Amino acid sequence: AQSVTQLDSQVPVFEEAPVELRCNYSSSVSVYLFWYVQYPNQGLQLLLKYLSGSTLVKGINGFEAEFNKSQTSFHLRKPSVHISDTAEYFCAVNTRGSQGNLIFGKGTKLSVKP
Amino acid sequence: DSGVTQTPKHLITATGQRVTLRCSPRSGDLSVYWYQQSLDQGLQFLIQYYNGEERAKGNILERFSAQQFPDLHSELNLSSLELGDSALYFCASSLAGGRTGELFFGEGSRLTVL
Repeated sequence: AQSVTQLDSQVPVFEEAPVELRCNYSSSVSVYLFWYVQYPNQGLQLLLKYLSGSTLVKGINGFEAEFNKSQTSFHLRKPSVHISDTAEYFCAVNTRGSQGNLIFGKGTKLSVKP
Repeated sequence: DSGVTQTPKHLITATGQRVTLRCSPRSGDLSVYWYQQSLDQGLQFLIQYYNGEERAKGNILERFSAQQFPDLHSELNLSSLELGDSALYFCASSLAGGRTGELFFGEGSRLTVL
């Protein structure tokens, strides 16, 4: 079975600082990896995904993530955050050949302060 | 706007009651997924339907059931409600079986059981 661990439940950071949100996964088979963002009182929207190919994936709003198979990680990064990036971020996995349902981590609340 | 519509947005009911949550997927999407989001459990996959047929089952209680109708909308029925069922229930949809994992989420139905 797959699982996802997001190591930090909350990450406070100042505006224009860089940020990294950590995600590790566990799976015995090849996986697809995703980051979703949830703004207050909204549903989840896809930030970026890794399916295959280049291990550095770029997403919306200036975010990027790097797939590291040996470390089973998929950390999310942004070089300079804005107040508007304040949200909860979820890492998710599904396995190739699965029915498509995603297994989510418990989320990381990013709080950007002025 | 993801194109996924959920009703009602908010619902308050009493223990022992039964409620129905409704989801209209994006136009053209055949798969519908239901997730439960709570503070202690995070985002839990409940069940998936594909073109009217149940495709995958997650941590769905026996008191809960779902179906997908010929017009592809879906309903999640929650019965004999308990306080612990209070949560945000998300519906998501995808084009096919969702094998590439891009799910489109609605804004959720917030259920409060008193």
